[in-house]
Amino acid sequence: SQQGEEDPQALSIQEGENATMNCSYKTSINNLQWYRQNSGRGLVHLILIRSNEREKHSGRLRVTLDTSKKSRSLLITASRAADTASYFCATDGWSTGGFKTIFGAGTRLFVKA
Amino acid sequence: EAQVTQNPRYLITVTGKKLTVTCSQNMNHEYMSWYRQDPGLGLRQIYYSMNVEVTDKGDVPEGYKVSRKEKRNFPLILESPSPNQTSLYFCASSLVAGGPRDTQYFGPGTRLTVL
Repeated sequence: SQQGEEDPQALSIQEGENATMNCSYKTSINNLQWYRQNSGRGLVHLILIRSNEREKHSGRLRVTLDTSKKSRSLLITASRAADTASYFCATDGWSTGGFKTIFGAGTRLFVKA
Repeated sequence: EAQVTQNPRYLITVTGKKLTVTCSQNMNHEYMSWYRQDPGLGLRQIYYSMNVEVTDKGDVPEGYKVSRKEKRNFPLILESPSPNQTSLYFCASSLVAGGPRDTQYFGPGTRLTVL
């Protein structure tokens, strides 16, 4: 499996602090998306960054590319208690086995009020 | 309202009893996919469909079947469920696989327990 690797697995911060989550893959990164999941519910799309983009912003979210580490980081600025959730990165694209979507194992974020 | 629906939301069954989890989307999306989520493993793709009558295996297809006879529906079939298929299942759809707007929309999930 080419499952992506996310770190950290868990992150606990105070409200108002920034949260950074990393997503790295062994193979080349295609378009990459970040999703949020609240406690076993469905995933909600947050932001998409294309393979040729180095940085993308959406509200308090920022995704950046680190080519040396083959990773993309999600930064949530000025975090709020309501940001407490699990965050997953996902990439998809064509491989020898067909068109696949691969998710990372996720980062559990806890924001303390 | 644009959405992906799944039924049932919760199901407890016994080993070997065939079951079907339905998935339907009302967004005229071409691409649909099934995932299972297990603790510590994130989401793993079971099967996907690029369009009507086109389905293909994901990373963990063993023990599952799918069909795509209509654009809006993509049922997941477990012919002979086993306890290792106890999991949280998600259906998702997107406009076109791999296109510029390939955001996937997820259903609410189906929690399956196989005894």
